Amino acid sequence: EVQLVESGGGLVEPGRSLRLSCTASGFTFGDYGVNWFRQAPGMGPEWVAFIRSKVYGGTIEYAASVKDRFIISRDDSKSIAYLQMNSLRTEDTAMYFCARRSYDTSPSDYWGQGTLVTVSS
Amino acid sequence: DIQLTQSPSFLSASVGDRVTITCRASQGISSYLAWYQQKPGKAPKLLIYAASALQSGVSSRFSGSGSGTEFTLTISSLQPEDFATYYCQQLNTYPYTFGQGTKLEIK
Repeated sequence: EVQLVESGGGLVEPGRSLRLSCTASGFTFGDYGVNWFRQAPGMGPEWVAFIRSKVYGGTIEYAASVKDRFIISRDDSKSIAYLQMNSLRTEDTAMYFCARRSYDTSPSDYWGQGTLVTVSS
Repeated sequence: DIQLTQSPSFLSASVGDRVTITCRASQGISSYLAWYQQKPGKAPKLLIYAASALQSGVSSRFSGSGSGTEFTLTISSLQPEDFATYYCQQLNTYPYTFGQGTKLEIK
């Protein structure tokens, strides 16, 4: 069974950092790209970042709102993807989801249950 | 960024009804469009990809159509479990944007 499990969320003060993890099982993690999405309370989903599989170069895309603050990475030996979030702002408060994707124009077919990040003083 | 506008934003319908949700893109996106269903407290669930391809395991009462800038999601006969919020997402150009959502409620 394909599973993605996010962890690492919590309450953090503005300007601080947090690292989210996305642990995958039930499929060959290295064959897939990984998206991070977020969803603020009462809002629709927002795409945050994407890391391609090694087959597609392992390259990365970011939303403008997080570029230069967030870093996506992956460890295929552990089947884990990470989202390092730096210089957090109150507007980064959201549920964060990871999801797998085969290649750039393919949809995210399996999602995790999400981890909540609250940025507040 | 490509803007996606869904209509309607809210839809009230009854079990057994046929409903259609529209998603319009601010520029052409070929057929790179997906539809998701989301229930409260849950992650989005993929229903349709490539505008009209039904995701494995999804009921055939869901169908999608369109290309370019106008797309539709149709539910042929609403079931109680279909009452949820629906989002379209374009996969043509980064950033991969979502529509604002259509909340489908029981009449």
